[in-house]
Amino acid sequence: NAGVTQTPKFQVLKTGQSMTLQCAQDMNHNSMYWYRQDPGMGLRLIYYSASEGTTDKGEVPNGYNVSRLNKREFSLRLESAAPSQTSVYFCASVRTGGLGGYTFGSGTRLTVV
Amino acid sequence: QKEVEQDPGPLSVPEGAIVSLNCTYSNSAFQYFMWYRQYSRKGPELLMYTYSSGNKEDGRFTAQVDKSSKYISLFIRDSQPSDSATYLCAMTPGNMLTFGGGTRLMVKP
Repeated sequence: NAGVTQTPKFQVLKTGQSMTLQCAQDMNHNSMYWYRQDPGMGLRLIYYSASEGTTDKGEVPNGYNVSRLNKREFSLRLESAAPSQTSVYFCASVRTGGLGGYTFGSGTRLTVV
Repeated sequence: QKEVEQDPGPLSVPEGAIVSLNCTYSNSAFQYFMWYRQYSRKGPELLMYTYSSGNKEDGRFTAQVDKSSKYISLFIRDSQPSDSATYLCAMTPGNMLTFGGGTRLMVKP
């Protein structure tokens, strides 16, 4: 039972570089989410996908793009990384909406220098 | 003002103590309340899930919701060093979750 799998686990980028964070879930969940977690700021929603084929902005979408590739996969792209995007990124999924609680991946630690 | 407020701690207690963790919220539409536990360098994991007001018990953990006061609590009995983690409250009216900032708990042997 893999649950939610995120890759990579760690990444160091130079300012201006691009990268894609990958997320896949094997629980047949409809909704998927991308959060960033910073000290003192808690979990902040970047983008979400309520169902396959739809994506919407969350609280802090600037500098990011997402793709819901299929029901299982939801990727987060940084087109031109900035030091302010240094954070821990978590992907989460849930059956429908927020009911039943989210299942989180183990996170990607990203440092932008 | 944040929709969900949670004291960041850290909260340090001796092993065996009863721990009380709390959140207050302002949105009266919240109906579903959760507690997540997050170990260092790990993702949050769902610990307790409750609907509306009342208490729910699961082993050493009790979740309490008081909607009239917009206040939720998590009690940990007989705390263990393995309970040392950050605890995040979360709530929703039925769609997306809103999280508290988390309380860091340290249980000392």
